[in-house]
Amino acid sequence: QQPVQSPQAVILREGEDAVINCSSSKALYSVHWYRQKHGEAPVFLMILLKGGEQKGHDKISASFNEKKQQSSLYLTASQLSYSGTYFCGTGGSSGTYKYIFGTGTRLKVLA
Amino acid sequence: EAGVAQSPRYKIIEKRQSVAFWCNPISGHATLYWYQQILGQGPKLLIQFQNNGVVDDSQLPKDRFSAERLKGVDSTLKIQPAKLEDSAVYLCASSSIETQYFGPGTRLLVL
Repeated sequence: QQPVQSPQAVILREGEDAVINCSSSKALYSVHWYRQKHGEAPVFLMILLKGGEQKGHDKISASFNEKKQQSSLYLTASQLSYSGTYFCGTGGSSGTYKYIFGTGTRLKVLA
Repeated sequence: EAGVAQSPRYKIIEKRQSVAFWCNPISGHATLYWYQQILGQGPKLLIQFQNNGVVDDSQLPKDRFSAERLKGVDSTLKIQPAKLEDSAVYLCASSSIETQYFGPGTRLLVL
């Protein structure tokens, strides 16, 4: 079953923060986050494995709560280049890696 | 490091015709994925290969779609015969461990 992302769409001004959530009905082994710009292929942002760790680089970070089967992506001090559609991708236990992308969140950053 | 290569980039065919897409993954990547992305939706996994064996093809419409990965490197995805609803972007991705790297995609239009 496809992971559900919220919100479906968000509009920000440069410098504002945003949080995108990804929720699965199935137990998760890992969560991946991707950004896709219009007409381009998805680009990998980060992966989180079981353990509830929070990862990040630059001003984008993410957390993974395997008990709640949820992950959140945090965008801090957003830039124009952050605009695009964000997808979470989730997989089951390693070795039975049925990979499913989430419903997507469209993010638009305005100057 | 060269990325994932796909060809052709664009293809227009009439319904009931056949079409084939080619993918060359990143060198050394054992896992190869084919996704279908319909406009406005997230990528949907069609088939996943581990070397030249199929890991998951549960969402591949096997009455018309087929895929192979000879010698565990290049892969081809074929549609025969095509239907109007097959119009989409077909993405190929490869990974070594967890991270997936996507090719530019093939945009298919079925008339």
